[in-house]
Amino acid sequence: DTGVSQNPRHKITKRGQNVTFRCDPISEHNRLYWYRQTLGQGPEFLTYFQNEAQLEKSRLLSDRFSAERPKGSFSTLEIQRTEQGDSAMYLCASSPQSGGAAETQYFGPGTRLLVL
Amino acid sequence: GDSVTQMEGPVTLSEEAFLTINCTYTATGYPSLFWYVQYPGEGLQLLLKATKADDKGSNKGFEATYRKETTSFHLEKGSVQVSDSAVYFCACYKAAGNKLTFGGGTRVLVKP
Repeated sequence: DTGVSQNPRHKITKRGQNVTFRCDPISEHNRLYWYRQTLGQGPEFLTYFQNEAQLEKSRLLSDRFSAERPKGSFSTLEIQRTEQGDSAMYLCASSPQSGGAAETQYFGPGTRLLVL
Repeated sequence: GDSVTQMEGPVTLSEEAFLTINCTYTATGYPSLFWYVQYPGEGLQLLLKATKADDKGSNKGFEATYRKETTSFHLEKGSVQVSDSAVYFCACYKAAGNKLTFGGGTRVLVKP
């Protein structure tokens, strides 16, 4: 199976620590997205890459958050100085670039972060 | 900005009952519409989609029709099974925004 993978699946950290998550998209997909999902809510968009270029960033992405996709393949999402409000499921998705009206996004299993 | 509103759950049904989950959207232009499903302990999976007005998406016995006049994309299934117990998310996508906007999700519980 060559779906979207994310690591780690779970992360528990103490407030103030830095954490980094990794996402490996489907290999032929050049678009990569990060979303955040809190309990009982739908996912909220954080940021989007086309190849290695970060083209969109949500206002939800404070300056403590940074995302990279250095070679246009895997991506990392780092949260510095974590706060309890950062506790959530962090979802990664990828899609091919097509000229059509819609690009279907394929989601990974997510990384669940708990900040104590 | 774009927004999606879907009926709150939980929705509890008996097996073989008819399921409807309402979804309405607010968006300029011509978004594409999606239903995603999240089974317990699993990630989001695409259930079905429709890319233009009057299109019907269908998969696994589920259907939804893109109604531009009512800005709706209601999900229906004629006879649910216990295995359909999950959280269902409606979402819209516009190429200009390059992102999915999700509703809050509707939890469905099907009892035998």
